[in-house]
Amino acid sequence: GQQVMQIPQYQHVQEGEDFTTYCNSSTTLSNIQWYKQRPGGHPVFLIQLVKSGEVKKQKRLTFQFGEAKKNSSLHITATQTTDVGTYFCAGSGTYKYIFGTGTRLKVLA
Amino acid sequence: DAMVIQNPRYQVTQFGKPVTLSCSQTLNHNVMYWYQQKSSQAPKLLFHYYDKDFNNEADTPDNFQSRRPNTSFCFLDIRSPGLGDAAMYLCATSTRRGEGYTFGSGTRLTVV
Repeated sequence: GQQVMQIPQYQHVQEGEDFTTYCNSSTTLSNIQWYKQRPGGHPVFLIQLVKSGEVKKQKRLTFQFGEAKKNSSLHITATQTTDVGTYFCAGSGTYKYIFGTGTRLKVLA
Repeated sequence: DAMVIQNPRYQVTQFGKPVTLSCSQTLNHNVMYWYQQKSSQAPKLLFHYYDKDFNNEADTPDNFQSRRPNTSFCFLDIRSPGLGDAAMYLCATSTRRGEGYTFGSGTRLTVV
């Protein structure tokens, strides 16, 4: 079945440093979504990418969808303590999404 | 505000005693999902409803059932909870077009 892996599993950064998480699917995706889950909270939708090679930005966050639509990345510029949490990608063929393994980000002040 | 509400927030049940978790939504979304999330793991899809059509994941145990009596409500029934079923259960909704999920706050289930 479809598998979605993320690396790294954990990342500790100093506040102000950049952070990137990578998402890789075993199959071609129709689209990909990104979620953020704060400790003790529920996943919150960040963005959806649909087109091959698509790049979207949200303030300090940059999302990219690979040309082959099998991988994606999330880059955070100049991390802040409010960025702490686990970032999940979720890949889809239709309206059902399989969540990636997640990257847990810790930001040290 | 339109939202997805899960009750209760915390649920403690006895080993083998049936338990029901509930989810309601005011978004009028067609699709409702139940995910299981264990500590430090990704949410795992159990099943989903596309309108009234029930779609079960192949690896969801028979111990887990679901009901959707109307558009707004969806229930997760665990017929005989085991210790391994302790987890956060997340309800989510989306539109037909596969837009981003809106998750409820989840129900954390403890089995004693």
